[in-house]
Amino acid sequence: DVKVTQSSRYLVKRTGEKVFLECVQDMDHENMFWYRQDPGLGLRLIYFSYDVKMKEKGDIPEGYSVSREKKERFSLILESASTNQTSMYLCASSLGPIAYGYTFGSGTRLTVV
Amino acid sequence: AQKITQTQPGMFVQEKEAVTLDCTYDTSDPSYGLFWYKQPSSGEMIFLIYQGSYDQQNATEGRYSLNFQKARKSANLVISASQLGDSAMYFCAMREESGYALNFGKGTSLLVTP
Repeated sequence: DVKVTQSSRYLVKRTGEKVFLECVQDMDHENMFWYRQDPGLGLRLIYFSYDVKMKEKGDIPEGYSVSREKKERFSLILESASTNQTSMYLCASSLGPIAYGYTFGSGTRLTVV
Repeated sequence: AQKITQTQPGMFVQEKEAVTLDCTYDTSDPSYGLFWYKQPSSGEMIFLIYQGSYDQQNATEGRYSLNFQKARKSANLVISASQLGDSAMYFCAMREESGYALNFGKGTSLLVTP
């Protein structure tokens, strides 16, 4: 069963900590994405990657960075966590063509205290 | 500018009735794809249905159909014969040929009542 795996379902971190959210896919997809989801705001794109070591900013990249050293793994990094980064984080992957759709991980609910 | 607009924050429907969830989109790209996802309370994003901008027929997947009106730039999701398990958040999303990522609407919360 093909899937996208996010390493943690729930995470609690302190303000100022460096936080790593890991995402691994086993479908050999070129594209990988990080979204955050907040009530009433839908899903907003933070960063995406269309190839190994390639990354592009999404709509809300401030306070985040990403790393993609291997095709299957895409990491989201909060350099210095703040309370306004408390959110649900969703990772997704896709093939190139539009119609192939996107597969999502089960999400990481991050709380920054 | 918001590319996907879902104007219904919450909807109620009675079991076995049909319900339409609205979605309008904005793009100047002639090639694009429209998606609907379901997100139950567990949080997973479940793909429901896809419509390509060049598809002549409306997409259907079981009880789900997509009412695609290209000139109006609308892509409404129709769920027929609602079930209690359909209670969830529903997101409309679009990907343009010129981009990589899905752009999402803010979602519609659907509650199916007995």
